[in-house]
Amino acid sequence: DGGITQSPKYLFRKEGQNVTLSCEQNLNHDAMYWYRQDPGQGLRLIYYSQIVNDFQKGDIAEGYSVSREKKESFPLTVTSAQKNPTAFYLCASSLRDSSYNEQFFGPGTRLTVL
Amino acid sequence: QKEVEQNSGPLSVPEGAIASLNCTYSDRGSQSFFWYRQYSGKSPELIMSIYSNGDKEDGRFTAQLNKASQYVSLLIRDSQPSDSATYLCAVNSGGNYQLIWGAGTKLIIKP
Repeated sequence: DGGITQSPKYLFRKEGQNVTLSCEQNLNHDAMYWYRQDPGQGLRLIYYSQIVNDFQKGDIAEGYSVSREKKESFPLTVTSAQKNPTAFYLCASSLRDSSYNEQFFGPGTRLTVL
Repeated sequence: QKEVEQNSGPLSVPEGAIASLNCTYSDRGSQSFFWYRQYSGKSPELIMSIYSNGDKEDGRFTAQLNKASQYVSLLIRDSQPSDSATYLCAVNSGGNYQLIWGAGTKLIIKP
């Protein structure tokens, strides 16, 4: 089955700790995205990548880092510099060469700072 | 700043009635428009996309686009309790592959 997987589903972080969220897709999509969603709010873009070994900052990139070494994978690291990381993190992907840009989402990771 | 606006709701609709959700956008160059459904605690699910003026129907869902007035709407006919969710509007302005997102409208279907 084609789709997007994210792990873990729930993640707990201690103050000062870096954590990495996994995102994998087997849809053969070129573009991948990371969003953050806070309660009662819309989606805010953290980082996006259109091709392997290239990525761009979104609206709220501070305190986060990413890598794109493989087409299928786009992990997100939440660093200790992110002061308020408790949120729902969503990974999405889309066909790069499509102006229609339908994005499809993984199930999400809920991060809580202890 | 490119913006997408939605009424946050909640919008309460009786079961079996038509639910009407609206979205306005600021960028006249916008080319692609999407409606996503998000159940509480779950990720967004794409339910409709529309690219040209007019109506697009898919089952009980109809998306309506009016580029001159810069709004896009979603109609849900014969509303069911399972339609209760938050509906997110997203707009792509072309040139890159980013979507601009509205904050969502919470829809409640009352049995």
